Amino acid sequence: EIVLTQSPGTLSLSPGERATLSCRASQSVSSSYLAWYQQKPGQAPRLLIYGASSRATGIPDRFSGSGSGTDFTLTISRLEPEDFAVYYCQQYGSSPPRLTFGGGTKVEIK
Amino acid sequence: QVQLVESGGGLVKPGGSLRLSCAASGFTFSDYYMSWIRQAPGKGLEWVSYISSSGSTIYYADSVKGRFTISRDNAKNSLYLQMNSLRAEDTAVYYCARWDYDILGNSAFDPWGQGTLVTVSS
Repeated sequence: EIVLTQSPGTLSLSPGERATLSCRASQSVSSSYLAWYQQKPGQAPRLLIYGASSRATGIPDRFSGSGSGTDFTLTISRLEPEDFAVYYCQQYGSSPPRLTFGGGTKVEIK
Repeated sequence: QVQLVESGGGLVKPGGSLRLSCAASGFTFSDYYMSWIRQAPGKGLEWVSYISSSGSTIYYADSVKGRFTISRDNAKNSLYLQMNSLRAEDTAVYYCARWDYDILGNSAFDPWGQGTLVTVSS
C-alpha cells in the first residue's frame, strides 16, 4: 500500500507570504490520480488540485500543484486570510485498488 | 447544483449496526463511481470504500472489510453504507464523495457531502 507523507505538519506564515507544502509517496504514483484538498474547521474537504497540477473549478490561480513520481508540491503564491486551513494530498493506486490520504499540513497564521 | 447529502449517523453501542445514506442531486448519479471517506475527531481523512457506477465493482479499506457494505440504488440516486459490528475506532464523521474524472483520465473526489457523525460508545 502506498503511504503519503506530508510535510511540514504545521506551517506558520503571515498573509501575503508564499506557502510550499510537500507530499511524498512511498512508491511512484500516477500523476493522474494525485489530488489536493483544503479543509476548514467544521467543513467538508474541498478539491483544489487534481491530476497533480490542474486547478479545480473556481479555485484561484494563487494555488498551484506540481510534481511527479514520488514527490508532489502544493504552492500558495500569496496567502489570503481564507487560505489558513488544513491541506491533504490523496492518491489512487490500482494494484490493489486503494485510495490513501496524507496526514495533512495545517497552514496557520503566524 | 451538484449536491450530496448524508444522513443516518448517530450514537450506537459497540457491536451495533447503522446504515448511512447519501442522496445525490444535480448530476447523472449512475455515471459516477462513489465513495465513503471518514474522519475521526481531530484526525485526518481515511478512505473507507468505493463502488463503481453500476455497483459491480466494490473495494474496502482493510479496517472495515467484512464489517461494512457499500451499495447504491441508481433509480433513487442514493448511496448507502451498512455498518455492522461497530467499534469505538469507527467513531468519525462519514463523508460521501463523487469520484470525478475528466477526458484525460485525471480523477479526484469532487464534491463531498457535509458529513454525518457516527459515535460508537457504550
